[in-house]
Amino acid sequence: GDSVTQMEGPVTLSEEAFLTINCTYTATGYPSLFWYVQYPGEGLQLLLKATKADDKGSNKGFEATYRKETTSFHLEKGSVQVSDSAVYFCALFGNEKLTFGTGTRLTIIP
Amino acid sequence: DVKVTQSSRYLVKRTGEKVFLECVQDMDHENMFWYRQDPGLGLRLIYFSYDVKMKEKGDIPEGYSVSREKKERFSLILESASTNQTSMYLCASSPSPTKNIQYFGAGTRLSVL
Repeated sequence: GDSVTQMEGPVTLSEEAFLTINCTYTATGYPSLFWYVQYPGEGLQLLLKATKADDKGSNKGFEATYRKETTSFHLEKGSVQVSDSAVYFCALFGNEKLTFGTGTRLTIIP
Repeated sequence: DVKVTQSSRYLVKRTGEKVFLECVQDMDHENMFWYRQDPGLGLRLIYFSYDVKMKEKGDIPEGYSVSREKKERFSLILESASTNQTSMYLCASSPSPTKNIQYFGAGTRLSVL
């Protein structure tokens, strides 16, 4: 079945550091790919998405590119802020449902 | 803004109790979902519903049931709570046909003692 593997956390970075959170997937066909974010005390919310190979999703300074050849959708941000501290989930949509990774907790220290 | 409201943020129940978790969405979405979130396991789909009075099993339906009598409300029922059902429960909704962009509630943290 479909699966998503993402970078183990937790990840701690200093403010303004470069961020990468790795995500790879296994799926039949060509799924849509997503990053959801969960801020403390809140539910998940969509951060960005990509629906086909080589698409780049972007939002709030975060980017991820759908790489079919490496089955990856790594999340990047050039300069993180304290307000980016959250749990990040990579997900794919296939077989009529979302399949989530285990989540990566990110903490940014001033 | 879409709002998905879960009735309780924290709940403590005893083993064997019948537990109801309620979820209401205010955007007339056709699709609603229940997940549980556990450390190291991410989110796992328990049940979902694409219409009133309709339900489908997700990946881990054992020990749970659901009810959808009205479009805006989707209830998760633990018929006889057990300690291994201690978890964070998340409700989500999405409009048809876009099932992949889901809007989540803040979650209910259930402890079964």
